[in-house]
Amino acid sequence: ETGVTQSPTHLIKTRGQQVTLRCSSQSGHNTVSWYQQALGQGPQFIFQYYREEENGRGNFPPRFSGLQFPNYSSELNVNALELDDSALYLCASSAKGGSSSGNTIYFGEGSWLTVV
Amino acid sequence: KNQVEQSPQSLIILEGKNCTLQCNYTVSPFSNLRWYKQDTGRGPVSLTIMTFSENTKSNGRYTATLDADTKQSSLHITASQLSDSASYICVVSANSGYSTLTFGKGTMLLVSP
Repeated sequence: ETGVTQSPTHLIKTRGQQVTLRCSSQSGHNTVSWYQQALGQGPQFIFQYYREEENGRGNFPPRFSGLQFPNYSSELNVNALELDDSALYLCASSAKGGSSSGNTIYFGEGSWLTVV
Repeated sequence: KNQVEQSPQSLIILEGKNCTLQCNYTVSPFSNLRWYKQDTGRGPVSLTIMTFSENTKSNGRYTATLDADTKQSSLHITASQLSDSASYICVVSANSGYSTLTFGKGTMLLVSP
């Protein structure tokens, strides 16, 4: 158990719909990152939040957006879903300093999104 | 462009045998290198973290090495068990103002009885 919980675990959406994925970070962790992992690929960085502010973004279009709340939990929102958005979406939390500090980064079990 | 390349892509070994997985990276400026184990359909679990000054780190039967000069790392698994069957992902962190990770595609290891 990593202390990072994600919901829902699985969901199916149709093209054009919107989806919200949720993540509760490990207690005391103020940095949350989201990743997209397609089948057979490594995770791709979407964005990172630190103390409720976006703190870096990967090569994803604006229809991928997020939020971080005062309790450091986070949401990933995807609008206008496309078939290629089908993937495992991973949330990762870490303490202040994130990955460059050498802190352990804990991943949740992910949310499997299928777009049909 | 930051990249992490892993080899082999997949590997089958007999239970009890040792194996070594390779990772080459071109990430700059380098901050640290991590190895993760990811069971199918699950989130990655941290095995080791190494900074620039560390060249080896162990976690039970897992031993990671790092050569920052050649930008290579390896993960050695000793006395493999069936439960070691998973994808092993090499992840390199760049110190780029905000923290970000570059993931390899992983090596799929199957330990056969």
